[in-house]
Amino acid sequence: SQQGEEDPQALSIQEGENATMNCSYKTSINNLQWYRQNSGRGLVHLILIRSNEREKHSGRLRVTLDTSKKSSSLLITASRAADTASYFCGGETSGSRLTFGEGTQLTVNP
Amino acid sequence: GAVVSQHPSWVICKSGTSVKIECRSLDFQATTMFWYRQFPKQSLMLMATSNEGSKATYEQGVEKDKFLINHASLTLSTLTVTSAHPEDSSFYICSARDGSHRWGDTQYFGPGTRLTVL
Repeated sequence: SQQGEEDPQALSIQEGENATMNCSYKTSINNLQWYRQNSGRGLVHLILIRSNEREKHSGRLRVTLDTSKKSSSLLITASRAADTASYFCGGETSGSRLTFGEGTQLTVNP
Repeated sequence: GAVVSQHPSWVICKSGTSVKIECRSLDFQATTMFWYRQFPKQSLMLMATSNEGSKATYEQGVEKDKFLINHASLTLSTLTVTSAHPEDSSFYICSARDGSHRWGDTQYFGPGTRLTVL
């Protein structure tokens, strides 16, 4: 079964705007990892945030984690057309298993 | 980051045949690898955890006799879909975690294998 949900399921924005995606999970996690996937391709790792961290940055990416609400958000600033992809969050639980949310399809219009 | 490869990238087979998919960690050793399947426009579903030198651990509802997993070395895990049927058609993706923790706890994914069963 899926760990949780992501919203929105689909997001369409203009180039230069910021994109925010949210992820919720059900059970306790060791860390939460965000990935992007272009159609028909594998997952590319974006950022990992540990359960004892609240916020993390990497380039144009900002991830927050609220363990009390069991939720996380991914912010992409100054989006580009090349950011168009599906974004997934995966919560790591026992045995290093990752359970994924449903994903957000992001479309950045040039 | 670390690199994980998969082979083949796509395969088409007839119903009833078996198909083997390889997952390799190219620049690190992985004591644990994971196999997922993904249906079109859906999320990834964890199928099993592949443990080097021991039996795989399957998720609930996944037939272990249908999806045979072998993790014979620290850099290679294989998934064999036995007696494949059209409903097994899917995108299969593996991931690996560096046992030495050089790359932290990050899981790295392969590029996936598209299986089509006719």
